[in-house]
Parts: sequence; C-alpha cells; structure tokens
Amino acid sequence: EADIYQTPRYLVIGTGKKITLECSQTMGHDKMYWYQQDPGMELHLIHYSYGVNSTEKGDLSSESTVSRIRTEHFPLTLESARPSHTSQYLCASTKAAGHDSYEQYFGPGTRLTVT
Amino acid sequence: AQSVAQPEDQVNVAEGNPLTVKCTYSVSGNPYLFWYVQYPNRGLQFLLKYITGDNLVKGSYGFEAEFNKSQTSFHLKKPSALVSDSALYFCAVRGNQAGTALIFGKGTTLSVSS
Repeated sequence: EADIYQTPRYLVIGTGKKITLECSQTMGHDKMYWYQQDPGMELHLIHYSYGVNSTEKGDLSSESTVSRIRTEHFPLTLESARPSHTSQYLCASTKAAGHDSYEQYFGPGTRLTVT
Repeated sequence: AQSVAQPEDQVNVAEGNPLTVKCTYSVSGNPYLFWYVQYPNRGLQFLLKYITGDNLVKGSYGFEAEFNKSQTSFHLKKPSALVSDSALYFCAVRGNQAGTALIFGKGTTLSVSS
C-alpha cells in the first residue's frame, strides 16, 4: 500500500455546506493530483500541483478549489456543496523526476454524497 | 489528442482459465502505459507499466501486459485467473500536459467465476 491518505473516507452532507477533503502523502512527492470518479466509471483530472504554491485546473471543470502550502498536503475544498458534486474523489501523487515519476500512487478515495 | 480505449465493459472468465483485458491507446510520441486495478470502495492499485524495453511487462499478482506498437495496444493478461482477481481494471497513458497526469480508459470489470 502506498503512503497516501485521504480523509474522510465517506461523507454525507447537506446542500450549501462548505467541505474540505484532505489528502496527505509521506513519500515526499512533488506532484499531486485530484481525480473525480463516478462509481465504476473512468477517472477525470480536476486539479494538479507541481509542488508547493503551484496549483492548476485539470481537464474536467470543477467548482472545487485546492491549495498546496506544504509538500505533503493537498486539500480540496468545496465552498458550497451541491448534489451534482456527489462522486468519489481520488488523490494521487508521484515523484517529479526519473522513470518512477510516471507511476502514480493513489489514496483510498473519499466518497462524497450531497443531499 | 491522447486517449485510451478499453473496448469491453466486462470480461467474464472461469477460474483457472487465461484472461485478457484489452486496451488500445492514441498518443503523440513514445507511450508510457499503465494498468491499475480497483477493488470496491478502494483507491487504484498499480499493477504494471511500460516505459521502454521488452514488449512483455510483468507486474503484480501474476499479471503481465504485452505492448504492441504497430497495433497501439497494451493488453493485460494472466495465464490462470483467480476469483480474487475480480475487480475493475483501468488502462492509462501518461499525458504530455496537465502535469503529466494519467489519462484513463473507462475501465473494464473482470468477473472470475468459480
């Protein structure tokens, strides 16, 4: 198992609430990613980061925001949750150089349900 | 544009039989290809990758994959399937943009019957 953690694992929350999904890795990886996945479906990139103070939006438009103040921490925030945000959110990380940089390590995911 | 196709939504195989999960890709330049497995309510686990070298790549849990440049394919194989291999399998290619994030296929559900 990779050393990448996500909390909470499951979250049920009402519409309009602000939520933060946590992601931490202890591998010292510079690059981190957030993917959104509907159950049993493909993954779509929503945010990524090259390192501290670097954040970019991914291919899939998302109303969420991210921050990268520390190398090991890459939280995702939804200011006002809506039912359309119901999905699984997967965090991943990888080294920034060398062939091993191409392999991403994934956290267990957060399954979010907005009622 | 870079993309990955997994033409089968589901593959069914009997325990002990060989299995193949298909993947084709479209990239500019050299492809960097990956297979991941996902069990219910879990994240993705890395199985194997092709960066360069031998076309037959061996990975975790007895899986292997064959890279075929002329057919732009990277099929996942296992000589003898186990019931515990039942899961969702994703093929992915490393993108050239967006922080070299992976571009995933839509996944193939493997069901191994006893």
